[in-house]
Amino acid sequence: AAGVIQSPRHLIKEKRETATLKCYPIPRHDTVYWYQQGPGQDPQFLISFYEKMQSDKGSIPDRFSAQQFSDYHSELNMSSLELGDSALYFCASSPVGKNIQYFGAGTRLSVL
Amino acid sequence: GESVGLHLPTLSVQEGDNSIINCAYSNSASDYFIWYKQESGKGPQFIIDIRSNMDKRQGQRVTVLLNKTVKHLSLQIAATQPGDSAVYFCAVDCQGNQFYFGTGTSLTVIP
Repeated sequence: AAGVIQSPRHLIKEKRETATLKCYPIPRHDTVYWYQQGPGQDPQFLISFYEKMQSDKGSIPDRFSAQQFSDYHSELNMSSLELGDSALYFCASSPVGKNIQYFGAGTRLSVL
Repeated sequence: GESVGLHLPTLSVQEGDNSIINCAYSNSASDYFIWYKQESGKGPQFIIDIRSNMDKRQGQRVTVLLNKTVKHLSLQIAATQPGDSAVYFCAVDCQGNQFYFGTGTSLTVIP
């Protein structure tokens, strides 16, 4: 079965650079969620989109933005990267009418 | 808001024994709960869910128990296997809004 696809799997950036993470939800899933997971920590909700509109906002810094496109894929844009942004970034998607979230394998971002 | 916590950060069990992982939540309005398993380098994987109108739900080798009175849920894994070694998170959804993840419990199965 198709799963949530995230790209890239690994990303290395320097401080003050920008990064774009991509997420392709499971087909026919209409909701996308972004999470940040630091080392040894639980996933922290950043932001979610339902039918291409932002639906909920969590602890997403102002330096980050995200959007969901007409094909339901989503991108997380991160600017002025800081060392503390180094983390695993997960995308999850939910099917229509259900709030079970299926997670992708994540993007590991390292900021040097 | 919601705060979610697990009682023990680590748990070691012998292969074949049963495992119990606990989770406490704070918001009595929370109505949907999911247990996730996360293996090293992978995303959280859905294990089992339960809604607030239920006290117990069983899956294959896993059972989730929900005690709304004390705002506590547990994940029971029967006949634990080495492949069950992972970090387990409970995630709590308050009325269709955000999911709040608890601090994971690292389960180690000793062969």
